[in-house]
Amino acid sequence: RKEVEQDPGPFNVPEGATVAFNCTYSNSASQSFFWYRQDCRKEPKLLMSVYSSGNEDGRFTAQLNRASQYISLLIRDSKLSDSATYLCVVNDSWGKLQFGAGTQVVVTP
Amino acid sequence: EADIYQTPRYLVIGTGKKITLECSQTMGHDKMYWYQQDPGMELHLIHYSYGVNSTEKGDLSSESTVSRIRTEHFPLTLESARPSHTSQYLCASSDRGLTEAFFGQGTRLTVV
Repeated sequence: RKEVEQDPGPFNVPEGATVAFNCTYSNSASQSFFWYRQDCRKEPKLLMSVYSSGNEDGRFTAQLNRASQYISLLIRDSKLSDSATYLCVVNDSWGKLQFGAGTQVVVTP
Repeated sequence: EADIYQTPRYLVIGTGKKITLECSQTMGHDKMYWYQQDPGMELHLIHYSYGVNSTEKGDLSSESTVSRIRTEHFPLTLESARPSHTSQYLCASSDRGLTEAFFGQGTRLTVV
Protein backbone atom coordinates (compact mmCIF):
# COMPACT_ATOMS: atom_id res chain seq x y z
CA ARG A 1 0.00 0.00 0.00
CA LYS A 2 1.33 3.46 -0.89
CA GLU A 3 2.03 5.87 1.96
CA VAL A 4 0.14 8.69 0.24
CA GLU A 5 -2.81 8.02 -2.06
CA GLN A 6 -4.66 10.41 -4.34
CA ASP A 7 -7.46 10.15 -6.88
CA PRO A 8 -5.62 10.70 -10.17
CA GLY A 9 -8.61 12.40 -11.82
CA PRO A 10 -8.86 14.19 -14.13
CA PHE A 11 -11.33 16.50 -12.49
CA ASN A 12 -12.91 18.49 -15.31
CA VAL A 13 -14.15 21.76 -13.83
CA PRO A 14 -16.02 24.59 -15.55
CA GLU A 15 -14.42 27.96 -15.09
CA GLY A 16 -15.81 29.65 -11.98
CA ALA A 17 -16.86 26.41 -10.31
CA THR A 18 -15.57 24.86 -7.09
CA VAL A 19 -13.55 21.66 -7.00
CA ALA A 20 -12.38 19.66 -4.01
CA PHE A 21 -10.35 16.51 -3.64
CA ASN A 22 -8.68 14.50 -0.92
CA CYS A 23 -5.51 12.67 -0.19
CA THR A 24 -5.10 9.87 2.36
CA TYR A 25 -1.92 8.95 4.20
CA SER A 26 -1.08 5.72 5.98
CA ASN A 27 1.46 6.76 8.62
CA SER A 28 -0.37 8.06 11.68
CA ALA A 29 2.92 9.52 12.96
CA SER A 30 3.13 11.95 10.01
CA GLN A 31 3.86 15.42 11.24
CA SER A 32 3.47 17.94 8.45
CA PHE A 33 1.50 18.21 5.25
CA PHE A 34 1.64 20.22 2.06
CA TRP A 35 -0.05 20.71 -1.28
CA TYR A 36 2.20 21.24 -4.30
CA ARG A 37 1.23 22.21 -7.81
CA GLN A 38 2.99 20.79 -10.86
CA ASP A 39 2.48 22.10 -14.38
CA CYS A 40 3.19 19.93 -17.39
CA ARG A 41 6.93 19.25 -17.75
CA LYS A 42 7.80 21.62 -14.90
CA GLU A 43 9.05 21.10 -11.38
CA PRO A 44 6.61 20.90 -8.43
CA LYS A 45 6.08 24.15 -6.54
CA LEU A 46 4.68 24.62 -3.06
CA LEU A 47 1.05 25.74 -3.15
CA MET A 48 0.40 25.78 0.58
CA SER A 49 1.16 24.11 3.87
CA VAL A 50 -1.71 22.39 5.67
CA TYR A 51 -2.24 23.26 9.32
CA SER A 52 -4.23 21.34 11.91
CA SER A 53 -6.86 24.03 12.15
CA GLY A 54 -7.23 24.30 8.38
CA ASN A 55 -6.07 27.28 6.39
CA GLU A 56 -6.97 29.47 3.45
CA ASP A 57 -4.87 31.20 0.85
CA GLY A 58 -7.07 33.24 -1.42
CA ARG A 59 -9.28 30.84 -3.38
CA PHE A 60 -7.56 27.77 -1.93
CA THR A 61 -8.58 26.07 1.32
CA ALA A 62 -6.74 23.14 2.88
CA GLN A 63 -8.03 20.92 5.67
CA LEU A 64 -6.42 18.19 7.76
CA ASN A 65 -8.33 15.36 9.39
CA ARG A 66 -5.90 13.47 11.61
CA ALA A 67 -8.50 11.00 12.89
CA SER A 68 -9.29 9.76 9.40
CA GLN A 69 -5.80 10.48 8.07
CA TYR A 70 -6.65 12.61 5.09
CA ILE A 71 -6.05 16.12 3.85
CA SER A 72 -8.18 18.02 1.39
CA LEU A 73 -7.83 20.88 -1.04
CA LEU A 74 -10.69 23.05 -2.21
CA ILE A 75 -10.40 25.52 -5.06
CA ARG A 76 -13.12 28.17 -5.35
CA ASP A 77 -13.94 30.23 -8.43
CA SER A 78 -11.67 28.08 -10.63
CA LYS A 79 -9.53 29.87 -13.22
CA LEU A 80 -8.14 28.42 -16.43
CA SER A 81 -4.69 28.90 -14.91
CA ASP A 82 -5.59 26.48 -12.09
CA SER A 83 -5.27 23.59 -14.56
CA ALA A 84 -2.40 21.51 -13.21
CA THR A 85 -1.58 18.40 -11.23
CA TYR A 86 -1.89 18.84 -7.47
CA LEU A 87 0.47 16.77 -5.36
CA CYS A 88 -0.21 15.84 -1.76
CA VAL A 89 2.98 15.69 0.34
CA VAL A 90 3.43 14.24 3.80
CA ASN A 91 6.49 14.46 6.05
CA ASP A 92 6.92 11.10 7.73
CA SER A 93 8.24 10.67 11.25
CA TRP A 94 11.81 10.59 9.87
CA GLY A 95 11.34 13.91 8.13
CA LYS A 96 11.34 12.29 4.71
CA LEU A 97 8.87 13.72 2.23
CA GLN A 98 6.36 11.31 0.72
CA PHE A 99 4.63 12.45 -2.46
CA GLY A 100 1.29 11.28 -3.76
CA ALA A 101 0.91 10.49 -7.44
CA GLY A 102 -1.09 13.66 -7.99
CA THR A 103 -4.63 14.73 -8.90
CA GLN A 104 -5.08 16.28 -12.32
CA VAL A 105 -7.43 19.27 -12.55
CA VAL A 106 -8.58 20.59 -15.92
CA VAL A 107 -10.50 23.87 -15.87
CA THR A 108 -12.56 24.40 -19.02
CA PRO A 109 -13.94 27.66 -20.46
CA GLU B 1 12.31 31.93 -6.14
CA ALA B 2 14.13 28.92 -4.71
CA ASP B 3 17.94 28.92 -4.78
CA ILE B 4 18.45 25.42 -6.05
CA TYR B 5 20.06 24.78 -9.41
CA GLN B 6 20.43 21.80 -11.67
CA THR B 7 22.73 21.40 -14.63
CA PRO B 8 22.46 20.53 -17.38
CA ARG B 9 18.78 21.26 -18.08
CA TYR B 10 18.79 18.92 -21.09
CA LEU B 11 21.22 16.12 -21.94
CA VAL B 12 21.25 13.73 -24.88
CA ILE B 13 23.95 11.12 -24.57
CA GLY B 14 24.95 7.78 -26.05
CA THR B 15 24.57 4.40 -24.42
CA GLY B 16 27.45 3.39 -22.18
CA LYS B 17 28.61 6.91 -21.33
CA LYS B 18 29.21 8.01 -17.75
CA ILE B 19 27.19 11.06 -16.72
CA THR B 20 26.93 13.28 -13.67
CA LEU B 21 23.89 15.43 -13.02
CA GLU B 22 24.68 18.43 -10.84
CA CYS B 23 22.50 19.87 -8.09
CA SER B 24 23.44 22.79 -5.87
CA GLN B 25 21.52 24.82 -3.32
CA THR B 26 22.52 28.02 -1.56
CA MET B 27 19.96 27.88 1.23
CA GLY B 28 22.10 25.84 3.64
CA HIS B 29 19.52 23.06 3.71
CA ASP B 30 20.50 19.83 5.42
CA LYS B 31 18.22 17.51 3.46
CA MET B 32 18.47 16.90 -0.25
CA TYR B 33 16.59 14.55 -2.55
CA TRP B 34 16.70 13.13 -6.07
CA TYR B 35 13.45 12.18 -7.78
CA GLN B 36 12.87 10.51 -11.13
CA GLN B 37 9.74 11.33 -13.13
CA ASP B 38 8.59 10.07 -16.51
CA PRO B 39 6.19 12.31 -18.52
CA GLY B 40 2.70 12.28 -17.03
CA MET B 41 3.76 9.92 -14.27
CA GLU B 42 4.38 10.28 -10.55
CA LEU B 43 7.58 11.30 -8.80
CA HIS B 44 9.76 8.47 -7.52
CA LEU B 45 12.34 9.09 -4.79
CA ILE B 46 15.64 7.48 -5.82
CA HIS B 47 18.12 9.00 -3.32
CA TYR B 48 18.11 11.27 -0.30
CA SER B 49 20.56 12.74 2.16
CA TYR B 50 20.11 14.10 5.68
CA GLY B 51 23.43 15.92 5.63
CA VAL B 52 27.11 15.72 4.73
CA ASN B 53 28.34 12.12 4.31
CA SER B 54 24.78 10.80 4.65
CA THR B 55 23.11 9.15 1.65
CA GLU B 56 20.26 6.67 1.47
CA LYS B 57 18.51 4.87 -1.35
CA GLY B 58 14.93 5.88 -1.99
CA ASP B 59 11.79 3.93 -2.71
CA LEU B 60 12.60 3.26 -6.36
CA SER B 61 15.63 1.15 -7.12
CA SER B 62 18.10 3.04 -9.27
CA GLU B 63 21.46 2.21 -10.84
CA SER B 64 22.63 5.72 -10.10
CA THR B 65 24.82 6.74 -7.17
CA VAL B 66 25.07 9.98 -5.21
CA SER B 67 27.53 11.69 -2.93
CA ARG B 68 27.25 14.46 -0.32
CA ILE B 69 30.67 15.82 0.44
CA ARG B 70 29.47 19.41 0.86
CA THR B 71 26.17 20.66 2.25
CA GLU B 72 25.31 22.59 -0.87
CA HIS B 73 26.15 19.96 -3.46
CA PHE B 74 24.40 16.62 -4.22
CA PRO B 75 25.50 15.20 -7.59
CA LEU B 76 23.99 12.07 -9.15
CA THR B 77 26.13 9.76 -11.29
CA LEU B 78 25.28 7.07 -13.80
CA GLU B 79 28.37 4.97 -14.58
CA SER B 80 26.97 3.56 -17.83
CA ALA B 81 23.89 5.22 -19.28
CA ARG B 82 21.20 3.09 -20.94
CA PRO B 83 18.03 4.02 -22.84
CA SER B 84 16.00 2.85 -19.82
CA HIS B 85 17.55 5.78 -17.89
CA THR B 86 15.77 8.26 -20.14
CA SER B 87 13.64 10.37 -17.80
CA GLN B 88 13.44 13.67 -15.95
CA TYR B 89 15.56 13.93 -12.82
CA LEU B 90 14.47 16.46 -10.18
CA CYS B 91 16.59 17.57 -7.25
CA ALA B 92 15.05 19.08 -4.11
CA SER B 93 16.18 20.34 -0.73
CA SER B 94 14.56 21.10 2.60
CA ASP B 95 15.64 22.53 5.90
CA ARG B 96 16.01 20.43 9.03
CA GLY B 97 12.75 19.56 10.73
CA LEU B 98 9.43 19.09 9.01
CA THR B 99 9.59 21.80 6.40
CA GLU B 100 8.64 21.94 2.75
CA ALA B 101 11.01 21.08 -0.08
CA PHE B 102 12.15 23.32 -2.89
CA PHE B 103 12.81 21.88 -6.32
CA GLY B 104 15.32 22.62 -9.03
CA GLN B 105 14.10 22.94 -12.61
CA GLY B 106 15.13 19.38 -13.43
CA THR B 107 17.40 17.66 -15.92
CA ARG B 108 15.74 16.02 -18.87
CA LEU B 109 17.96 13.07 -19.82
CA THR B 110 17.72 11.17 -23.08
CA VAL B 111 19.96 8.17 -23.67
CA VAL B 112 20.17 7.08 -27.30
